[in-house]
Amino acid sequence: AQRVTQPEKLLSVFKGAPVELKCNYSYSGSPELFWYVQYSRQRLQLLLRHISRESIKGFTADLNKGETSFHLKKPFAQEEDSAMYYCAPLSGGSYIPTFGRGTSLIVHP
Amino acid sequence: GAVVSQHPSWVICKSGTSVKIECRSLDFQATTMFWYRQFPKQSLMLMATSNEGSKATYEQGVEKDKFLINHASLTLSTLTVTSAHPEDSSFYICSARAGRKGAVNQPQHFGDGTRLSIL
Repeated sequence: AQRVTQPEKLLSVFKGAPVELKCNYSYSGSPELFWYVQYSRQRLQLLLRHISRESIKGFTADLNKGETSFHLKKPFAQEEDSAMYYCAPLSGGSYIPTFGRGTSLIVHP
Repeated sequence: GAVVSQHPSWVICKSGTSVKIECRSLDFQATTMFWYRQFPKQSLMLMATSNEGSKATYEQGVEKDKFLINHASLTLSTLTVTSAHPEDSSFYICSARAGRKGAVNQPQHFGDGTRLSIL
């Protein structure tokens, strides 16, 4: 079965520290990969997608096909980055989105 | 940007009542909409994929007669929880995928969710 794994349920860092939120997938082929973010009391929203290769709010994510990973990174975390982050691959076959369990990022001042 | 409106945001009703939740794409057409259920402190669980003009595709374990989905237009999908019981209490979220039919790799745009509480 196709799966997406976000191993960390909670990630706690101090402001200015580097952040890496891990995501591994088990899809075959070349899935389209997304990261979504949910800030407190707000709806889920797209943070970035693999195909666009852009940096949003200082976050980047690199697809590593060999490790089947799409980790989300930011060199210097800010307090406003505190949120729930979901990795969501889109399989090449069914195109049905699947969400990881999410990682709660807390950035302390 | 693309906006999805979900209504109502909160429903409290008695057991046995049927509840309808609407999901509208306000400034784009959505040939595909998704319905999710989220339990406290857990991830989104996909319930069904709603395709405009055709029957919804339900995930395994989701009762299609219990959760009726209608996607009659390119901007509206509805989820009706029929004869709701306390175990149906949950947070329901819809999302819409922009783009023409076949643009399956587009990102999703989410509604605010509906908190359903069955007494």
